[in-house]
Amino acid sequence: KAGVTQTPRYLIKTRGQQVTLSCSPISGHRSVSWYQQTPGQGLQFLFEYFSETQRNKGNFPGRFSGRQFSNSRSEMNVSTLELGDSALYLCASSFTSTGAVNEKLFFGSGTQLSVL
Amino acid sequence: GENVEQHPSTLSVQEGDSAVIKCTYSDSASNYFPWYKQELGKRPQLIIDIRSNVGEKKDQRIAVTLNKTAKHFSLHITETQPEDSAVYFCAVPQASGGSYIPTFGRGTSLIVHP
Repeated sequence: KAGVTQTPRYLIKTRGQQVTLSCSPISGHRSVSWYQQTPGQGLQFLFEYFSETQRNKGNFPGRFSGRQFSNSRSEMNVSTLELGDSALYLCASSFTSTGAVNEKLFFGSGTQLSVL
Repeated sequence: GENVEQHPSTLSVQEGDSAVIKCTYSDSASNYFPWYKQELGKRPQLIIDIRSNVGEKKDQRIAVTLNKTAKHFSLHITETQPEDSAVYFCAVPQASGGSYIPTFGRGTSLIVHP
């Protein structure tokens, strides 16, 4: 079974631009969640999707958005990039029939975003 | 919201020693407690988890203990090896909107010296 796939692996953008990151979950997983990882703040929850619906959103500004498609693939978008958005963005998928995310998370390798 | 504290932030041991990492949490409704290992430049991977109906779980050299009354759980690694060197994260899912939001500890950088 293929693991969680994230593309692209690296991105370099300038302030003010926007970016779209992609995540393909493990086949059969319907829950996809996104995280921002920085040396200072650690792993922080961005949002979680289940069956194309956003169920939860973390404490991030509205510039961060996402969506999930009918095949469970997910994208996240960051508009008007700021220097502080430089981070590793990880997505994770989870197999859950109840829709709860208190199950093990399978992470992708992440997208390293650098904002110049 | 959920408050998760993880200690220590850095742990340096000699090969063969034991290592213990502790996480405390605030939400008494939490019932699932995973530990993730992230090697340098790689993705976090689940190494062990425990549910609130048990107090301890072992998997070879790794064990997790849970004290629900005191609201803390710990990762124990025995007979450490250089390949155990990594950052370890605990996580506590907080119930929200019919689902859960995982709150992660800040991570512990474990260094095992040969």
